[in-house]
Amino acid sequence: DQQVKQNSPSLSVQEGRISILNCDYTNSMFDYFLWYKKYPAEGPTFLISISSIKDKNEDGRFTVFLNKSAKHLSLHIVPSQPGDSAVYFCAARATGSARQLTFGSGTQLTVLP
Amino acid sequence: EPEVTQTPSHQVTQMGQEVILRCVPISNHLYFYWYRQILGQKVEFLVSFYNNEISEKSEIFDDQFSVERPDGSNFTLKIRSTKLEDSAMYFCASSGGLRPEAFFGQGTRLTVV
Repeated sequence: DQQVKQNSPSLSVQEGRISILNCDYTNSMFDYFLWYKKYPAEGPTFLISISSIKDKNEDGRFTVFLNKSAKHLSLHIVPSQPGDSAVYFCAARATGSARQLTFGSGTQLTVLP
Repeated sequence: EPEVTQTPSHQVTQMGQEVILRCVPISNHLYFYWYRQILGQKVEFLVSFYNNEISEKSEIFDDQFSVERPDGSNFTLKIRSTKLEDSAMYFCASSGGLRPEAFFGQGTRLTVV
């Protein structure tokens, strides 16, 4: 039961250009959506979140967009830098839950110099 | 900056042996979690712990697993009789307050042989 889906296992982008990572979900009870970045042999690092009552949240080079009607969110990274190369996980938290996160399968982003 | 710390970083154990994975969550956090990631797969929720008891657990968290907060700082995951399929990265995480994000440790790589 994949409640959070990331359909692109990998994405390559040129340095300085925009990276767009996509995520779809099925559970209408999710109240927060989050993006994490993960390097090999490290734990996930929190990047940015968005509440289900908003449609956009921005933090520096990172912007998350939420389209509730389509049950879709995306992470935009502008401009992309080689240090952004990592696996990006979309995650979601359900209302009334014990606050645990449901993760997508991840997208490997490679930013080419 | 406060961080979640996990020990050991790598544990090799024989099938059928008991292992204890240790974590020190961020000190003012109230919610504690264990997640795992089998190589190449998504990060999966195992268990959440709040107010000195399990608040939610997944289907993976069967009778072979237990968690404990033996003192004010440590949070442990015990696997009673390890199986080959328990080989994975195990991540401890903690969260607190109203914000939805959880902060993850660096992980323990468990290898069952």
